[in-house]
This record gives sequence, structure tokens and C-alpha cells, in this order.
Amino acid sequence: ETGVTQSPTHLIKTRGQQVTLRCSSQSGHNTVSWYQQALGQGPQFIFQYYREEENGRGNFPPRFSGLQFPNYSSELNVNALELDDSALYLCASSSVDRGNSPLHFGNGTRLTVT
Amino acid sequence: GIQVEQSPPDLILQEGANSTLRCNFSDSVNNLQWFHQNPWGQLINLFYIPSGTKQNGLSATTVATERYSLLYISSSQTTDSGVYFCAVGTSGSRLTFGEGTQLTVNP
Repeated sequence: ETGVTQSPTHLIKTRGQQVTLRCSSQSGHNTVSWYQQALGQGPQFIFQYYREEENGRGNFPPRFSGLQFPNYSSELNVNALELDDSALYLCASSSVDRGNSPLHFGNGTRLTVT
Repeated sequence: GIQVEQSPPDLILQEGANSTLRCNFSDSVNNLQWFHQNPWGQLINLFYIPSGTKQNGLSATTVATERYSLLYISSSQTTDSGVYFCAVGTSGSRLTFGEGTQLTVNP
């Protein structure tokens, strides 16, 4: 069983730039969600995708957007980067077809905005 | 939204010691997971409640009616060091995380 994989592992961007982070879901999972983890804090829910549509969003501005592809992989896009966007971005997959099911997380992408 | 509180925030153990971590949540939930985050940031599933409550020196119990969960660490090892998170949810994959317990196990 292939786990959740994320790329890249590290990224450095300049304030105002745009960034795209990628995630491949665990095999057999059809739902992907993204979380932001600032240093010293717990992860915070950004949004969830199911059947290629956003299906739930946390308290994040519209410059955070995403995509889910037919193979259930996903992208997180952040426009107009701000210094406070520096964080570990975690992708998680699960299977809603089995009702509530545990989330499985990737190793994350560490984004630094300078 | 749901509030999640974890205690203690920091814990230092001598290898071989036992301890209990607590997670309180403010509303009814139908999904609760415990995670271990290692120093490299990897978030590892420990338990998904309602299924799975014991593995490798760890066990968990949840009292949903009183809105808390406990994670028991027995015979701690240095490899148990890291941050332990409790996360709860009511639907889908939207989890609310606590602030975590930073555990250090000294040899």
C-alpha cells in the first residue's frame, strides 16, 4: 500500500510570489485535505477535496486554493505569499466511502517565505 | 468550533517510566485520532477511535460522554520522544488539533 507523498520537501519563496505544493493520496483513498502547521502549534485545517471539488474549508483566505485530480492527487496553491505563510504544509488522505475513516498524513512541505 | 485542550504541554520522562496524556474536547465528536510527530515533522497515526486502542506500549481510552481521551505510555523509550497530538472531528476529514504534548524521554 503506497502512503501519502508530498513534494517538494522544502521550499523558499519571496513575499508576493506564488507557490504550488503537490500531494499523492494513499492508494484506495478518495478524499484529500490540507493542513497548515505553524511552528510550535497544532495543524490547522485549510480545506478538503472530494470528487475534485472543494468540500469544506477552514478559516483561510481565498488566496489559498486547491485542486484534486481524477487520480485523487491534489495541489495546494498559495498566491501573494506573506511572511506568516511560512509553515509546514501537510496533506492527508482518507476514504469517505467507508464512513468516517482515519486520516493518513504525508511528510509535509516546509515553506519558508522571506 | 470545537475546542481541544491537551495536557500537560511538556513532559520529561526517564526511560522505562509510565505516563498519561490527556485530551479534552468541547463538543460531541465521531472521530478522534492520536498522532505522534517526530522531530522531522512526520505525523504518524497512533490510534483512531473507535477502533484500535493498544499497540507497542501505548494504549488509549476515550470517554465520549465526558468528552476526554487518555493516551497511556508504558515503559517509555527514547524513540517515544516527540510531540503527541490529539485531533477530533465530526465529519469528513476536517480535524481540529490540540496544541500537543512535547514528550522528552531521557536515557
